[in-house]
Amino acid sequence: AQKITQTQPGMFVQEKEAVTLDCTYDTSDPSYGLFWYKQPSSGEMIFLIYQGSYDQQNATEGRYSLNFQKARKSANLVISASQLGDSAMYFCAMRAIRGYQKVTFGTGTKLQVIP
Amino acid sequence: DAGVTQSPTHLIKTRGQQVTLRCSPKSGHDTVSWYQQALGQGPQFIFQYYEEEERQRGNFPDRFSGHQFPNYSSELNVNALLLGDSALYLCASSLYAAWVFGPGTRLTVL
Repeated sequence: AQKITQTQPGMFVQEKEAVTLDCTYDTSDPSYGLFWYKQPSSGEMIFLIYQGSYDQQNATEGRYSLNFQKARKSANLVISASQLGDSAMYFCAMRAIRGYQKVTFGTGTKLQVIP
Repeated sequence: DAGVTQSPTHLIKTRGQQVTLRCSPKSGHDTVSWYQQALGQGPQFIFQYYEEEERQRGNFPDRFSGHQFPNYSSELNVNALLLGDSALYLCASSLYAAWVFGPGTRLTVL
């Protein structure tokens, strides 16, 4: 079984500042992938970044980086230089690597960027 | 290249009715999964289809059923609707590991 925990229901950040969204996970699968998705009020899940459990380096995608600490089972998302358009729900998720395994989501963090 | 498309966008039904939601996967994708997202919650896995067969199922009652067609498109059917079925229903498609989500269908049960 897989479990994702996001302990921050809501976060505020000043425009142009960096923010870290926390995510911890639990799984018995030896190989897995960790994802972050952004969900604006429109509802669509937008893929942001992916980290494989065996990747040696932390993933980065533009202003997004994933702080992966395998021993602590954490996969925090760092957004640098926040923009007003970053205001949205953010979901941490994971899936086993083998086969077409389902994606397990956390409860999400609502990020609001303040001008 | 169109991504995952879903129809309808919004739907209002009454308790006891039946509903069918539709999903067209991203071009080239052969696997479709359906998720239910209640207000203020993360998406919950309903089931997954590959080669027109249900491969995996989450913790949802038999009132939730699905189908995948030869062109990989999919339908989600919900019978005997309950108030608690009101949610955003998301469809996602994949070829290998990367899952792409559609915009969702917002179902309201009155």
